[in-house]
Amino acid sequence: DTEVTQTPKHLVMGMTNKKSLKCEQHMGHRAMYWYKQKAKKPPELMFVYSYEKLSINESVPSRFSPECPNSSLLNLHLHALQPEDSALYLCASSQGSNEKLFFGSGTQLSVL
Amino acid sequence: SQKIEQNSEALNIQEGKTATLTCNYTNYSPAYLQWYRQDPGRGPVFLLLIRENEKEKRKERLKVTFDTTLKQSLFHITASQPADSATYLCALPSNSNSGYALNFGKGTSLLVTP
Repeated sequence: DTEVTQTPKHLVMGMTNKKSLKCEQHMGHRAMYWYKQKAKKPPELMFVYSYEKLSINESVPSRFSPECPNSSLLNLHLHALQPEDSALYLCASSQGSNEKLFFGSGTQLSVL
Repeated sequence: SQKIEQNSEALNIQEGKTATLTCNYTNYSPAYLQWYRQDPGRGPVFLLLIRENEKEKRKERLKVTFDTTLKQSLFHITASQPADSATYLCALPSNSNSGYALNFGKGTSLLVTP
């Protein structure tokens, strides 16, 4: 199984809602990532978990809260988002550091 | 600041020709460079990784070169096909020593016409 699975594929939420994005991999990878990508822009790194510990937080606003319940799962909890947070949210995993990334298909998020 | 620059304009080529995409970088000292393919509304898919001590790497119809003096990588697709139409992203490890922070260029959109 060489897949990274993300749910939901699409999400529309209001600015007062709380929602969560989910990501799962069964490749035994020890690093998991959240990237944000706006249209016609490159993916931007948000968070990295390594061995289930938060390794990188790229100064992301606190309305985004990551969680890594175990080595196969990664969540991104969303609260009080702004319309400018609308984007494609990509989860990725890698075997370790300095390795290729395996991306999921992403969650297309719209904040109204 | 660290910058990754790729051809900003779309590249249109005819089927069967060789497509050449450019990735230039500044303020990086990368031990390696990666190339990814991204289709609309999908996540990037890894294609190739080339290390600083490798001048060239090939995989089927793909060839990547890496010139650390020029701070440039070239990505070639030979005998291009319409199915190769996509956006191609180059990626470099951040200068932070974490080994996990991978920064992406904006990508070059390739369109291969029959």
